[in-house]
Amino acid sequence: ETGVTQTPRHLVMGMTNKKSLKCEQHLGHNAMYWYKQSAKKPLELMFVYSLEERVENNSVPSRFSPECPNSSHLFLHLHTLQPEDSALYLCASSQPGWPPTPFDGYTFGSGTRLTVV
Amino acid sequence: DAKTTQPPSMDCAEGRAANLPCNHSTISGNEYVYWYRQIHSQGPQYIIHGLKNNETNEMASLIITEDRKSSTLILPHATLRDTAVYYCIVRAPTGANSKLTFGKGITLSVRP
Repeated sequence: ETGVTQTPRHLVMGMTNKKSLKCEQHLGHNAMYWYKQSAKKPLELMFVYSLEERVENNSVPSRFSPECPNSSHLFLHLHTLQPEDSALYLCASSQPGWPPTPFDGYTFGSGTRLTVV
Repeated sequence: DAKTTQPPSMDCAEGRAANLPCNHSTISGNEYVYWYRQIHSQGPQYIIHGLKNNETNEMASLIITEDRKSSTLILPHATLRDTAVYYCIVRAPTGANSKLTFGKGITLSVRP
């Protein structure tokens, strides 16, 4: 248990469905992130939230919609996905600071394995 | 745009030391070297980080060359559970270069 909890662990959805991924952290961090890891590819940073404000959106299609209602929770809303969106979606949190500490270096959840059929 | 270069894979025998190399020849003065590992289908796990001095914790040791252009992660007594993809990442603690950007990493296979 890393302190970052993602639910569900596995999700199968049709292309016309709407679903949401949830991430929760109780580490007192003020930054949260969504990453995508497709098969045999490096992790790709999708969204960055700092103090509940979205500070980065790396050209992610609009069918992925993040939400950060407070510093402990992060959601990724999914709608009309494509089969190529099947991947492991990872949430992470961090507490940026100086000098850097291990917690500055991001803590990851176990991920949600998403399959789009 | 990964700032590090790692071999794609290596293996070692259980109980022996695993030395994982990383090149980061364009590292800037305020950038740290971080190592993470990812066991199959799990989230990446922080291992260690350093600036210029060698570092050691309960998991591993990090040896950074004097010119900081390369480093080596050492797992002193590898076990089967250390089989994973290991990522060497260079990042600044704040600012535009503070994002944790992953490359392909090195796949370590520990054999019995």
